[in-house]
Amino acid sequence: GAVVSQHPSWVICKSGTSVKIECRSLDFQATTMFWYRQFPKQSLMLMATSNEGSKATYEQGVEKDKFLINHASLTLSTLTVTSAHPEDSSFYICSASATAGQSSISYYEQYFGPGTRLTVT
Amino acid sequence: ILNVEQSPQSLHVQEGDSTNFTCSFPSSNFYALHWYRWETAKSPEALFVMTLNGDEKKKGRISATLNTKEGYSYLYIKGSQPEDSATYLCAFIGNAGNMLTFGGGTRLMVKP
Repeated sequence: GAVVSQHPSWVICKSGTSVKIECRSLDFQATTMFWYRQFPKQSLMLMATSNEGSKATYEQGVEKDKFLINHASLTLSTLTVTSAHPEDSSFYICSASATAGQSSISYYEQYFGPGTRLTVT
Repeated sequence: ILNVEQSPQSLHVQEGDSTNFTCSFPSSNFYALHWYRWETAKSPEALFVMTLNGDEKKKGRISATLNTKEGYSYLYIKGSQPEDSATYLCAFIGNAGNMLTFGGGTRLMVKP
C-alpha cells in the first residue's frame, strides 16, 4: 500500500514552453500533497503544499505564477512549470500524506513518487 | 530557516562492514524525525518515524536512535550489503505542522 506515481519521469522541453507533471496516490486518499525540487548535490527543498480543493501554499522564494499547482482530487495533484527556462531544469518530486483513519497508512508519514527530471533547453 | 544536517555526505564501505551516520536538527519545537532510504531511480522509502526522546527503532539490519534534547539521530547498518547502497535522508518535522525539512542526505556505497 501507499504507492505514489509521478508522470512523466523524464522530460526535455524547449525554453518558453510549459510542462505539466502529475502526481497520483494509487491506493490511498491523499489529503495533502507536497512538491519538492532538488538541484544537483543539494537537499530536497519544499516548493509548495497543496490540500485537496484549496489553493496551494508556496514556500518563500517560489513563484506561484510560474509553478502552478492544482490538487483537484484526493488522488491527483499537478505541477505546471509555465514558460520554462533553463534555470528551471531540476529534479521535481512529489509526496502525499494520507487522511487520518486509513488502515495501514501512517498519518504525517509522506509517501514519495519517483520524481521527474526536467531539462529545459 | 531550519537547519537539518547530515554527515558524512558520502560513505564507501566494504560488504560486511557496519556503518553509521548522523542527522542533526533543531532541538526546540520537535515533533518527529523521519528516515528515508532513496535508491537511484526509485521513490524514497520510509524507514522510520521517530517521535520520542530515547527512541530506538529497528528494521532488519538497520536501526536508528533519537536524542531530541541534543538534536541528533543516528542510523546504523549492521553488516552492510551491496543492496544497502542508497542515499539515506533524514527529515525533521516541527510542532508547527506536517512540513518535512530534509537534510542533505548521506550517500552510502557498499562494495562487494
